[in-house]
Amino acid sequence: GENVEQHPSTLSVQEGDSAVIKCTYSDSASNYFPWYKQELGKGPQLIIDIRSNVGEKKDQRIAVTLNKTAKHFSLHITETQPEDSAVYFCAAPGDSGYALNFGKGTSLLVTP
Amino acid sequence: DGGITQSPKYLFRKEGQNVTLSCEQNLNHDAMYWYRQDPGQGLRLIYYSQIVNDFQKGDIAEGYSVSREKKESFPLTVTSAQKNPTAFYLCASGGTGGNQPQHFGDGTRLSIL
Repeated sequence: GENVEQHPSTLSVQEGDSAVIKCTYSDSASNYFPWYKQELGKGPQLIIDIRSNVGEKKDQRIAVTLNKTAKHFSLHITETQPEDSAVYFCAAPGDSGYALNFGKGTSLLVTP
Repeated sequence: DGGITQSPKYLFRKEGQNVTLSCEQNLNHDAMYWYRQDPGQGLRLIYYSQIVNDFQKGDIAEGYSVSREKKESFPLTVTSAQKNPTAFYLCASGGTGGNQPQHFGDGTRLSIL
């Protein structure tokens, strides 16, 4: 079935630096790749998503890139701020075609 | 405001007891989902429903049951058959199909007494 691998599991950066989180997927038919941010005690919040007909999407300080050939997609956060500290999850459509499979998450810490 | 409401925020279960977690959405979404989150783990799918009066098992459905009698509501029952129920439970809703954004509630934390 669809398998989503996410790396790294933890990431620590200094404020102002960039952070990159990478995910790989196994099903070449997958066509939708969202990223979620989860703060402590809260539910995940959709921050950006990309569909397979584009290679990159940007929204202010965050961007997502997609390499369909290599079957991986990445989240890029530039000019990181302490409030970016959270757990980030990637996802891709599951085998059923009706739900998402999630990566295991990346805990990002931005230190002042 | 439109959104997804989960209640209660914290829930305690005694041995042999069934408990029900509530999930209500006013986003007019057709699809609703239940996930389980354990420390350091991703989200694992318990059940999902694409339309009223229809639902399917996810990857870890054993020991859980659901109903979808109304579009807005998708309650999850954790039965006594679920031997390791301590976890953070998340409900989500979205458009029909796995290639649609899902929007999450703020979760219910279930613990065993």
